[in-house]
Amino acid sequence: AQKVTQAQTEISVVEKEDVTLDCVYETRDTTYYLFWYKQPPSGELVFLIRRNSFDEQNEISGRYSWNFQKSTSSFNFTITASQVVDSAVYFCALSEQAAGNKLTFGGGTRVLVKP
Amino acid sequence: DGGITQSPKYLFRKEGQNVTLSCEQNLNHDAMYWYRQDPGQGLRLIYYSQIVNDFQKGDIAEGYSVSREKKESFPLTVTSAQKNPTAFYLCASSNSRGMFETQYFGPGTRLLVL
Repeated sequence: AQKVTQAQTEISVVEKEDVTLDCVYETRDTTYYLFWYKQPPSGELVFLIRRNSFDEQNEISGRYSWNFQKSTSSFNFTITASQVVDSAVYFCALSEQAAGNKLTFGGGTRVLVKP
Repeated sequence: DGGITQSPKYLFRKEGQNVTLSCEQNLNHDAMYWYRQDPGQGLRLIYYSQIVNDFQKGDIAEGYSVSREKKESFPLTVTSAQKNPTAFYLCASSNSRGMFETQYFGPGTRLLVL
């Protein structure tokens, strides 16, 4: 069974639309961290956010926001008023206490923002 | 400028040849990692090292080897035993050997088989 599932393989929106990326994870640990990374066409992974399992507060950073819900094992990511520069592949990742500092990545969601 | 550098950007391998991918970091990070990414897929861990002169296998270590002789360097060798080496290889590092530290990534090396 996949530990991190990103069910949406590709999302296409028009500029200024909002887009929400889903991430569902699976773990038996009570202590874990979740991450989101952005991979633009250049290929390098850019760190966006890290959230621990004890902090369910939603977070907003500019046009980005994250909704963490332990009850549904989800850590969703929303881009508000999307821009062409947001076009990239976005990865959700899980770090479990039992696995040390190793990251388990989801399959990624490709976001295409059209002008 | 602090960061992680990987070279070369593109690498071509002939059948039966070993090739080495370079990864250097000047962030003073203790831990370093190698991942493989296949088209349309997520990243899979090949090897990781939490301290100099020590490293552990990840999920897909077969056909690969590493060394960690210096804190700032973690080269990956793709050996001839790796039958399907064409992929995008990403190196990462994190601040300490502690738990849950954020991993920061280099720009990657794209390996192609001739």
